[in-house]
Amino acid sequence: GQQLNQSPQSMFIQEGEDVSMNCTSSSIFNTWLWYKQDPGEGPVLLIALYKAGELTSNGRLTAQFGITRKDSFLNISASIPSDVGIYFCAAFYEGGADGLTFGKGTHLIIQP
Amino acid sequence: DAGVIQSPRHEVTEMGQEVTLRCKPISGHDYLFWYRQTMMRGLELLIYFNNNVPIDDSGMPEDRFSAKMPNASFSTLKIQPSEPRDSAVYFCASSRSYSNQPQHFGDGTRLSIL
Repeated sequence: GQQLNQSPQSMFIQEGEDVSMNCTSSSIFNTWLWYKQDPGEGPVLLIALYKAGELTSNGRLTAQFGITRKDSFLNISASIPSDVGIYFCAAFYEGGADGLTFGKGTHLIIQP
Repeated sequence: DAGVIQSPRHEVTEMGQEVTLRCKPISGHDYLFWYRQTMMRGLELLIYFNNNVPIDDSGMPEDRFSAKMPNASFSTLKIQPSEPRDSAVYFCASSRSYSNQPQHFGDGTRLSIL
């Protein structure tokens, strides 16, 4: 099946720093999604990308759908304590049998 | 609008007991998904429904697991008999379509089998 390679696995940063994480695959996708999961809660959709090359922002978050359709990145600017959590990429290939494929997640930890 | 609602939020039971997890999807969403999340394996799709009909149950680990969707607003995931290795967080998600609309997740049921 299709696999998403998400990196880094974890990040330890200082408050105020910018964050960058990405997902890559050998497969091509039609839709990329980024979710955040807080402890004890379900994943919450942050950004959805539907077109190759698309760059979308949601507040301090910016995500891009790679032009090759095989990758996506998520940036967080000026991190704050509430950004702590696990960030997942997910992707669809329309018409594919695998449905929504998830990355393994990036654990973001912000040091005071 | 209300999101996906799962119950219970936490379940602790002894091995061998029957466990039933419940989910109410977002109104108007035709697809419902059950996932299991563990540290070792991440998010795994167990089964999904379209218009209340099970479409793909290839992710269900064993015959001890079963899922039903008697109507558009309710689904259950049942484990009988339960085993300690079933301990995980179980999520329900729903979406308007299978392949180009985001899935929206509930807050999960944290299941501990002793």
